[in-house]
This record gives sequence, structure tokens and C-alpha cells, in this order.
Amino acid sequence: DTGVSQDPRHKITKRGQNVTFRCDPISEHNRLYWYRQTLGQGPEFLTYFQNEAQLEKSRLLSDRFSAERPKGSFSTLEIQRTEQGDSAMYLCASSFDRVSEQYFGPGTRLTVT
Amino acid sequence: AQSVTQLDSQVPVFEEAPVELRCNYSSSVSVYLFWYVQYPNQGLQLLLKYLSGSTLVESINGFEAEFNKSQTSFHLRKPSVHISDTAEYFCAVSDRRGFQKLVFGTGTRLLVSP
Repeated sequence: DTGVSQDPRHKITKRGQNVTFRCDPISEHNRLYWYRQTLGQGPEFLTYFQNEAQLEKSRLLSDRFSAERPKGSFSTLEIQRTEQGDSAMYLCASSFDRVSEQYFGPGTRLTVT
Repeated sequence: AQSVTQLDSQVPVFEEAPVELRCNYSSSVSVYLFWYVQYPNQGLQLLLKYLSGSTLVESINGFEAEFNKSQTSFHLRKPSVHISDTAEYFCAVSDRRGFQKLVFGTGTRLLVSP
């Protein structure tokens, strides 16, 4: 399968714990995006990488959130000191260039108890 | 900044009936337009997109959408739906000049019954 993969698919954590999610984009795609989707809403943009450079961050990405894309391949999204409001589906997408389709991964569902 | 409005949160329809899912957008700049579909327990998939050229775009499974610049709309239509079309449909836009950040609507759940 050469699609976008995300790991883990589900994560349950207690409030205050740190969590890290991984996204592996399609290999030839140099653009990578993170979105967050809460129940009953459409996905909301979090951050964007072109190769290894993080070029844009949404206001939704508080100081507790950090994303990296070392070597321009896979990406990680870390949430420190999780809060119940962080419970959501975290989606990763990748694309080849500005006008090509964004391919989405299956998402990581985070539940903070 | 852009925004997308999908007024219908849920659209129930009988199999083989026609359907229209409405999408209106707001933007101060030119945009690309997209419809994504999310089947139960699956990830988002691109259904169709408008980048330029003909304002009527079609998907391989019978859906079509028409870009109407004057009404800032990109409604999705299908003349005859199937049970398998039951899914959540998201309209999205991106700034033509930017890095292709997608701005999504809240989605419309299409429920097709026999």
C-alpha cells in the first residue's frame, strides 16, 4: 500500500500526558499537512511542511503542540500536557505540488480522559 | 481568508432519486474548489475538483459539480443515487496563490435508503 499512513490509529490518554503521532506521506510528495477534525465539523488546518521546512502554523496550534518533519520524509505531531479539548481525529495529508490532490491518511483518533 | 458554508447537515434521499448538496464559499481571492467524501470508517477521498477551465466537473462515479462565480457556489449533484453513496461529503476551497491549505465546510451527511 503506497498511500498515506498514520500511527497509531487510536490513542487513549489521561489528561496531562504527552502523546506523539506519526505520519508517513506518499514517498514522492514533498508537501505535508496536518489537520484536526472534531465531531460534527470539517477538518481544520493545523500546519504545513514543504520538505523539512515548517512554513505555516495555524492559531489552533498552541504552544503545547509541536510538529516536525526531519529529512523531509515522515512527520510527527506531539501534544504536551494533553487536555480534554484535544480529543479529536488528527489527519495527515500529502501532495506533490500546489495543484495536485491532497491524499489523506486514515487519521489518529485521540481521546483524552 | 476563506470560509465554506454547507447549510444542509444531513440529506435523506431514496435510492435512484436525484440529489443536490449545496456549498457556498466566501473569499477575497481566487480559489480552487473541491469536494471530498468520507465513507464510514474510512479516510477522506477526493471526489472532484475545479482548478480552471470548464465550470462543470465530473467524477468517475456519476457526481458532478458546477462552479458559479457570481453566486460563489459549487453545488454537488447526482441524477440517481445508490445505497453505496451514503457518506459524509465535505466541500473545501484553497487559495490559488497560497500553499494549498484546504478550508473545509462542516460537511453534509447523505443518507440513501431503499
